[in-house]
Amino acid sequence: RKEVEQDPGPFNVPEGATVAFNCTYSNSASQSFFWYRQDCRKEPKLLMSVYSSGNEDGRFTAQLNRASQYISLLIRDSKLSDSATYLCVVNGRGYSTLTFGKGTMLLVSP
Amino acid sequence: NAGVTQTPKFQVLKTGQSMTLQCAQDMNHNSMYWYRQDPGMGLRLIYYSASEGTTDKGEVPNGYNVSRLNKREFSLRLESAAPSQTSVYFCASSEAPGGGYGYTFGSGTRLTVV
Repeated sequence: RKEVEQDPGPFNVPEGATVAFNCTYSNSASQSFFWYRQDCRKEPKLLMSVYSSGNEDGRFTAQLNRASQYISLLIRDSKLSDSATYLCVVNGRGYSTLTFGKGTMLLVSP
Repeated sequence: NAGVTQTPKFQVLKTGQSMTLQCAQDMNHNSMYWYRQDPGMGLRLIYYSASEGTTDKGEVPNGYNVSRLNKREFSLRLESAAPSQTSVYFCASSEAPGGGYGYTFGSGTRLTVV
């Protein structure tokens, strides 16, 4: 299994839709989990951390399932501005660095 | 609030030329990282510095060297550029090794080697 795996998409959704992304990770001892957002030709930016109890930030909800080693991101009421690539990020082996998934592309259309 | 600053933003090199990519952060972070991003490959770690005075190899270190000049600055050097090093290079920093609070990225350097 690759360290961090994501469906590359693209996910094409209309404005107002709800969309969910999943990500699986291989290192059962990982402790830190994040979702980053990357716009075209820009740097990745932290969207939210993912906690064991799950967390919500406005229209965004992140969940962690340690038993199955997957992380999810739910976006409600999609906006055109949500169009971007979403990167799943996990502690790498040795915990000194973070390992990034290849990303899932989201395209929100009018 | 500058965050992480990378220079240059764009560069074209000829095969065999050398250059240094500069990175500086003003957040008093201890750890710094260099990644490259290629289409279909995602972000791959080249080198990192967990703290001032230390550097370690990442996933793809061949062809690169780094220097942690001080707590603020972490440079990446290509001694003899090759077309395979055409990529977008991102520098990042974090408060602690392992990025427990996440990384802050610079805006990137787009490098083309011809």
